[in-house]
Amino acid sequence: QVQLVQSGAEMKKPGASVKVSCQASGYTFSLYAMSWVRQAPGQRPEWMGWINAGNGNTKYSQKFQDRVTITRDTSASIAYMELSSLRSEDTAVYYCTRGRTQFANTPMDYWGQGTLVTVSS
Amino acid sequence: DIQLTQSPSFLSASVGDRVTITCRASQGISSYVAWYQQKPGRAPNLLIYAASTLQSGVPSRFSGGGSGTEFTLTISGLQPEDFATYYCQQLNDYPVVSFGPGTKVDIK
Repeated sequence: QVQLVQSGAEMKKPGASVKVSCQASGYTFSLYAMSWVRQAPGQRPEWMGWINAGNGNTKYSQKFQDRVTITRDTSASIAYMELSSLRSEDTAVYYCTRGRTQFANTPMDYWGQGTLVTVSS
Repeated sequence: DIQLTQSPSFLSASVGDRVTITCRASQGISSYVAWYQQKPGRAPNLLIYAASTLQSGVPSRFSGGGSGTEFTLTISGLQPEDFATYYCQQLNDYPVVSFGPGTKVDIK
């Protein structure tokens, strides 16, 4: 069965960076897209960016363009999301999600369990 | 950017009720809409995509409709496990994907 298992909770100081991992299993990793979505407390989910797990192409939300990097290791079936220059407003649960296809703008049919990132001095 | 609104933002209903949630887009998005259910402390779960296609494993009491700028999610015969928050999502504005503000369905 498809599973996305994310790395554990992180606590960071303002200005630092965080890198969250997402271990995929149960499907052929390179055939599907992977997106990262975050959700601040009480807020709607917010799309951050997408990677084609096959060829590594990426697209980012304009909001995070300068601070986010999404990568993948196809040999290990792991996707990563790194967010830099953290501020308190980045405190949220971060999710990796699998797209139904390899393309961007595809519905997200599997989600990781979420990683809480807390930014506080 | 395409803006999404949902109505109502909060809905109080009883087990067995038929409930409908509406999602409106600020411009036409064809049928590039998905619906998700989220329970507290859990990740969202895909219910419907392409406006009306039921995701595998989702009960048939969930249905979706609409095209262009107005879309609906209907639950026919609300079950106790359906009390949750529901989000619509637009996938038309490449590469941007965005979610609506959510509708919380609570027990009357």
